[in-house]
Amino acid sequence: KAGVTQTPRYLIKTRGQQVTLSCSPISGHRSVSWYQQTPGQGLQFLFEYFSETQRNKGNFPGRFSGRQFSNSRSEMNVSTLELGDSALYLCASSFGSLEKLFFGSGTQLSVL
Amino acid sequence: AQSVTQPDIHITVSEGASLELRCNYSYGATPYLFWYVQSPGQGLQLLLKYFSGDTLVQGIKGFEAEFKRSQSSFNLRKPSVHWSDAAEYFCAVGAQGGTASKLTFGTGTRLQVTL
Repeated sequence: KAGVTQTPRYLIKTRGQQVTLSCSPISGHRSVSWYQQTPGQGLQFLFEYFSETQRNKGNFPGRFSGRQFSNSRSEMNVSTLELGDSALYLCASSFGSLEKLFFGSGTQLSVL
Repeated sequence: AQSVTQPDIHITVSEGASLELRCNYSYGATPYLFWYVQSPGQGLQLLLKYFSGDTLVQGIKGFEAEFKRSQSSFNLRKPSVHWSDAAEYFCAVGAQGGTASKLTFGTGTRLQVTL
């Protein structure tokens, strides 16, 4: 079974631009979560989608948004990029609410 | 609000030696508790989890953790460390009644293994 796939692996953007990251969960998994990982703040929960609906949301500004498609694939969008948005963005999928998370290798975003 | 503290930023152990990584949590009720491991350039892999029941939890790769409510701790242990265990380890807490997806992570402990 293929694991969680995140694309692209690396991304370089400039301040003010917007970016879209993609996540393909493990086949059959309906929950997709997003985390931001930085050296200063560590791992922080962004949001979770389940069956195309946002089920949980972390404490990030509205510039961070996401969506989930009917095939459970998810995208995350960051608008008006700031230098502080430079981070590793991790996607995780799970089958249900209390099942373990399977993480992708992440998208490393650098904002210049 | 829930929180997790991993007091040790960096630990170095010799291969074959025992290991204990500390984790303290703050939560009003019995939480969901997890240990994840992250190798360089990789995502996180679940080592073990505690939801309820037996307070000593066995995980993959020979790891175990013990939930101690009185100490608000969930320390990770391994009796004999292998060089391949070198990685960063994260303790995480989730809210009871919530999901295992919305987790609060500690800042991590980087484990170095010397040969």
